[in-house]
Amino acid sequence: GAGVSQTPSNKVTEKGKYVELRCDPISGHTALYWYRQSLGQGPEFLIYFQGTGAADDSGLPNDRFFAVRPEGSVSTLKIQRTERGDSAVYLCASSLTAQGYGYTFGSGTRLTVV
Amino acid sequence: EDQVTQSPEALRLQEGESSSLNCSYTVSGLRGLFWYRQDPGKGPEFLFTLYSAGEEKEKERLKATLTKKESFLHITAPKPEDSATYLCAVQMGTGNQFYFGTGTSLTVIP
Repeated sequence: GAGVSQTPSNKVTEKGKYVELRCDPISGHTALYWYRQSLGQGPEFLIYFQGTGAADDSGLPNDRFFAVRPEGSVSTLKIQRTERGDSAVYLCASSLTAQGYGYTFGSGTRLTVV
Repeated sequence: EDQVTQSPEALRLQEGESSSLNCSYTVSGLRGLFWYRQDPGKGPEFLFTLYSAGEEKEKERLKATLTKKESFLHITAPKPEDSATYLCAVQMGTGNQFYFGTGTSLTVIP
């Protein structure tokens, strides 16, 4: 597609539930990133994929968070046993290479845990 | 500790009133400094990359500069459509992640 697509755009879930957030990167972009942005803050790194493998998952806050990219294109961020503190906008970005230029963000998924 | 600090947090300008936004950083092994614009409900939109002290980039009314400790985003004769949050981010060492500041919220009043 022309840009990075994220679905759903909004997700409301109850505390303790499981959620999946999807990212469809720009076709041909091998690098894919997930960030989390809380209100009034800058995006915070979660995980980086190069192709199918997670090259750096040092930003995942705990083992309730997991992400996959099985075929090297679409990625899914999975959050188990959601907590109210997980409420944020989850942003996905992709780039042709691992360098910073050409890093295109999606519009994000706003997750609200009630 | 590595840090990226942006100032001011918020800035209100009259249309045509030029100003500058600041991004100061204390990181080791800077590989690049990036400026992004973010509109409400949208993801950040790439503006500039700066790699070395003394480098400057321009795009329309925006000009970004870089020193060894900080970067400035100069806005010349801003228009209401320049209203947005401007984010600064750095990439350092061998890592690929960005470290973002908290942004400057710019409002340009007609």
